[in-house]
Amino acid sequence: QVQLQLSGPGLVKPSRTLSLTCAISGDSVSGDSATWNWIRQSPSRGLEWLGRTYYRSKWYSEYGGSVKSRVIINADTSKNQFSLHLNSVTPEDTAVYYCARGGYRDNSNWFDPWGQGTLVTVSS
Amino acid sequence: SSELTQDPAVSVALGQTVRITCQGDSFRRFYASWYRQKPGQAPGLVLYGINNRPSGIPDRFSGSRSGNTASLTITGAQAEDEADYYCNSRDISGTDLVFGGGTKLTVL
Repeated sequence: QVQLQLSGPGLVKPSRTLSLTCAISGDSVSGDSATWNWIRQSPSRGLEWLGRTYYRSKWYSEYGGSVKSRVIINADTSKNQFSLHLNSVTPEDTAVYYCARGGYRDNSNWFDPWGQGTLVTVSS
Repeated sequence: SSELTQDPAVSVALGQTVRITCQGDSFRRFYASWYRQKPGQAPGLVLYGINNRPSGIPDRFSGSRSGNTASLTITGAQAEDEADYYCNSRDISGTDLVFGGGTKLTVL
């Protein structure tokens, strides 16, 4: 059974970098079928996909348009985990952040499982 | 605003059938995935692709697609089905993954 454990600070100051880590158990971050995703949820923006990283003979990272200029997602194979780094944060980045394993079948993307989620507040 | 449009709220009598819809041009190319979220919990996958359910999701959940609309149908709704439901697909360009705004399902 795959489980994802999210960790990171719950409070980040404006203009700083928000960094979160998702530790994987029951699967490998460098496996050749899954993708490793970051998603956030806020009352004003709903569920928002931030991006993903995955390994297919080499590492790829893809980012959502809303944060593309500010985000980096990468993997640490030695710790079997992946991380989100979102820079130049503003209060609008306040949200519950989730990590999730992704896949693709029948012309459909899916996310399963999801980590437990963590509230990150951007405030001075 | 989301490229996937859902009705904000739907209600169904206990044991009856309800359909939750998601509209978006991307469904002319892609299939939806659907997520159920209860208060204080992370979303959980209930359906994806043509009609695939993860293990543990009962067969009263089914999916379909017609034109620009994807649907999640619950046949014989139970009290535990009361939750927020979200659809997901690619945007029309195929580059971004996007979610609908969510439908709050009330079981009466």
